[in-house]
Amino acid sequence: SAVISQKPSRDICQRGTSLTIQCQVDSQVTMMFWYRQQPGQSLTLIATANQGSEATYESGFVIDKFPISRPNLTFSTLTVSNMSPEDSSIYLCSVTGGYGYTFGSGTRLTVV
Amino acid sequence: GQQVMQIPQYQHVQEGEDFTTYCNSSTTLSNIQWYKQRPGGHPVFLIQLVKSGEVKKQKRLTFQFGEAKKNSSLHITATQTTDVGTYFCAGGMDSSYKLIFGSGTRLLVRP
Repeated sequence: SAVISQKPSRDICQRGTSLTIQCQVDSQVTMMFWYRQQPGQSLTLIATANQGSEATYESGFVIDKFPISRPNLTFSTLTVSNMSPEDSSIYLCSVTGGYGYTFGSGTRLTVV
Repeated sequence: GQQVMQIPQYQHVQEGEDFTTYCNSSTTLSNIQWYKQRPGGHPVFLIQLVKSGEVKKQKRLTFQFGEAKKNSSLHITATQTTDVGTYFCAGGMDSSYKLIFGSGTRLLVRP
């Protein structure tokens, strides 16, 4: 299965600022997924990122707040923009090879 | 919208006891996947079930997919302290590769 390097692993940010999270995969993948996991909660899909096209966002998530880049088949970034304390969460990227999904180690974001 | 519910929310067992978590979808699933997340870790894939009524085993873990492909269960026989974590089911919807995660069951094991 793929190996994903995600960074930063954690950050503490001031409200109103933005943070960009990066995921690097050791193999080429068509789709990358971005999830949010609030403390003690389940995973919620933010968007699906395809190389060469606009990301597809789930209900409740918008591009202005969570812009995504997918410049090639091994890399993607998620930006959390104009942060507020409600954005404090763990953000995870994920890929699939068709049988199961592999997750990055996650970015624990705290907004103060 | 599509929802995947999971019960119980928590289960605290004595080491050696069995454990079961149940997953129920509001819609028919194309597949069901199970993940384990250790405290402080990220979800790790355990298994995928695709066929109606399918049963798969991994050592002490038994996974079932319901006949209607709307529910699933994970059963652990004789729990060990290494089984501690949160177990998530995740439903695959049509051919979109999207996964809808269940609410998770947190398992605690008393040694």
